[in-house]
Amino acid sequence: EAGVAQSPRYKIIEKRQSVAFWCNPISGHATLYWYQQILGQGPKLLIQFQNNGVVDDSQLPKDRFSAERLKGVDSTLKIQPAKLEDSAVYLCASSPTWAGAQNEQFFGPGTRLTVL
Amino acid sequence: GEDVEQSLFLSVREGDSSVINCTYTDSSSTYLYWYKQEPGAGLQLLTYIFSNMDMKQDQRLTVLLNKKDKHLSLRIADTQTGDSAIYFCAESMKGSSNTGKLIFGQGTTLQVKP
Repeated sequence: EAGVAQSPRYKIIEKRQSVAFWCNPISGHATLYWYQQILGQGPKLLIQFQNNGVVDDSQLPKDRFSAERLKGVDSTLKIQPAKLEDSAVYLCASSPTWAGAQNEQFFGPGTRLTVL
Repeated sequence: GEDVEQSLFLSVREGDSSVINCTYTDSSSTYLYWYKQEPGAGLQLLTYIFSNMDMKQDQRLTVLLNKKDKHLSLRIADTQTGDSAIYFCAESMKGSSNTGKLIFGQGTTLQVKP
């Protein structure tokens, strides 16, 4: 079974530029998550999709971050414009289900973003 | 509030047992998880425990849960150099929306010396 795929693996941009990350979840997984992991910290949830609908985006800085999951499969996360504090690893995860049950989330390798 | 705390670093000798500790604040958590992260890789689920359990054993891994003190621990028996990684404790939130959102601790770096 193929795992969660993410691209690019690394990205370096200057502040105020735009950047986009792509995620392809495990086939058949209904739930998709984007996490931000700042160096030395644990992952923090940015947004959660159930199929192509947003379940939780309470921690997403909506003035600069956006995400979509068209057709309920692949997802893109965009930052426009980027700030220095956005330097982090962006992790995508997927799970077969979500509420009320043990919910193993499968993580991709992440995209390491450096904002100069 | 939502908060998960872990000690930052643990160093052990190969063959010894490792114990990684975690405290959490939300008493309504349904599941508690341990994830492992190796350099340059995503997170891998090691084990989990349901909140009505006290202990769970899975090969070299033993999870202990003290709900009264909101304390979770992961014991790795016969620690190997391949166990060197960052270990994250996470709790699954049971809010009104019951989305299964995970709250992670800051991670414990386990160093295993030969």
